Amino acid sequence: DQQVKQNSPSLSVQEGRISILNCDYTNSMFDYFLWYKKYPAEGPTFLISISSIKDKNEDGRFTVFLNKSAKHLSLHIVPSQPGDSAVYFCAASANNFNKFYFGSGTKLNVKP
Amino acid sequence: NAGVTQTPKFQVLKTGQSMTLQCAQDMNHNSMYWYRQDPGMGLRLIYYSASEGTTDKGEVPNGYNVSRLNKREFSLRLESAAPSQTSVYFCASRSSFHSYTFGSGTRLTVV
Repeated sequence: DQQVKQNSPSLSVQEGRISILNCDYTNSMFDYFLWYKKYPAEGPTFLISISSIKDKNEDGRFTVFLNKSAKHLSLHIVPSQPGDSAVYFCAASANNFNKFYFGSGTKLNVKP
Repeated sequence: NAGVTQTPKFQVLKTGQSMTLQCAQDMNHNSMYWYRQDPGMGLRLIYYSASEGTTDKGEVPNGYNVSRLNKREFSLRLESAAPSQTSVYFCASRSSFHSYTFGSGTRLTVV
């Protein structure tokens, strides 16, 4: 059974608006979370991370929010740009940077 | 360019054939990983090598073997390929913190 779930396979957003990508997890021991972006025919690239001691982390247009009680994290992209169109994966680990569990990904399409 | 290089990029195997997927990194990272990506499943860890000379199983190690040849190279071997091993395989490396650098992947089809 998957411990990290991204229940929305796809999301379509207009350029300039906010994109919100969601991720849920089941293991309460997870304490570190990552978001990766993947373009077709390329490997995933690191986007942003958050530790369980925080509930928010920002990096430019990207903000990740963590709700530990709900076992939920979200990635906000503001404003969305066509170049953000990609598949986004969330990943989580339980005090072991050698073992991250990935969600199935959400394909974001930002329309011009 | 610095990064993780995987070979081959594409491969078709017949059931029962063997092959080795190669991975090399030039970033002097200690840890290396093999993941597979299947539709609807995300990336799943097959094996990893936390440092040169060590290897450990991940989530889905059955049917695979690995070799950490040196600090740069980490290979994945399928001894007897099965259709269930049809997937996209990603190699990754990591320095001391959390961020992984991934290769561009090997698309493997077993018929």
